[in-house]
Amino acid sequence: RKEVEQDPGPFNVPEGATVAFNCTYSNSASQSFFWYRQDCRKEPKLLMSVYSSGNEDGRFTAQLNRASQYISLLIRDSKLSDSATYLCVVNSPGSARQLTFGSGTQLTVLP
Amino acid sequence: ETGVTQTPRHLVMGMTNKKSLKCEQHLGHNAMYWYKQSAKKPLELMFVYSLEERVENNSVPSRFSPECPNSSHLFLHLHTLQPEDSALYLCASSQEWGAGETQYFGPGTRLLVL
Repeated sequence: RKEVEQDPGPFNVPEGATVAFNCTYSNSASQSFFWYRQDCRKEPKLLMSVYSSGNEDGRFTAQLNRASQYISLLIRDSKLSDSATYLCVVNSPGSARQLTFGSGTQLTVLP
Repeated sequence: ETGVTQTPRHLVMGMTNKKSLKCEQHLGHNAMYWYKQSAKKPLELMFVYSLEERVENNSVPSRFSPECPNSSHLFLHLHTLQPEDSALYLCASSQEWGAGETQYFGPGTRLLVL
C-alpha cells in the first residue's frame, strides 16, 4: 500500500462547479497534513494545512478523518485558475520530520 | 516569487558528464531539501540539510552528491548519471527541519540525461 494515495484524475469540471478530492494515508501515527498545488511545469506551493477540526480558506475547505486516515479538499465555485495538480502531503512514518507527497490529482476547470 | 531560486532551469547532459545544480534561498531558513520528481510519480525526498548538516539521505545513489556550504546555498553534484535520472529536481527550504513546517520550493531544474 502506498504511504499516501490519491485518485490521479484527471478531473474535468465546468467553471462554477464544486469538486472534491480525497487522499488516504497508511500511517495512523501521522500528525501533519497539507494540500499543495502544482501548476503545469511549475513548483509545488502550499495551498493550506489541514487541521483536525477541519478548516476553510475562501472557496477551499479541508477535512481530516483520523479514524479513516483520510483527508479531503473541497473546492467550491471553481475558477479557470484552479486548474492544477493538487498534492496531498503527510508527515512520513519513517521519520516524523519528513513529508511524504502523494502523486497528485489533476484538475482542469473548463470554460 | 517564493524566495528560492535554482539554476540552471534546464540541463541536458551525457552519462559521462559532471554537472552541478545550484539552489539559493533568500528567506533566512535553516533547512534545505532536494527532491526528485519524475513523470506521474510523487516527489521523492533525496537529501535534507539542517543548519548546514546533512540529516537525511534517502538511499540516494552516490552519483548524486549534495553540498551545503552555508544555510543559504545548496548544491547537487551530478556525475555518471543514467537516463532514468532524467527528472525535475526541486530544491525547497523551511524555517526549521520539522514535519509541521511549510516548505517553499524553487522552480526546479529539468534534467535530461542522454
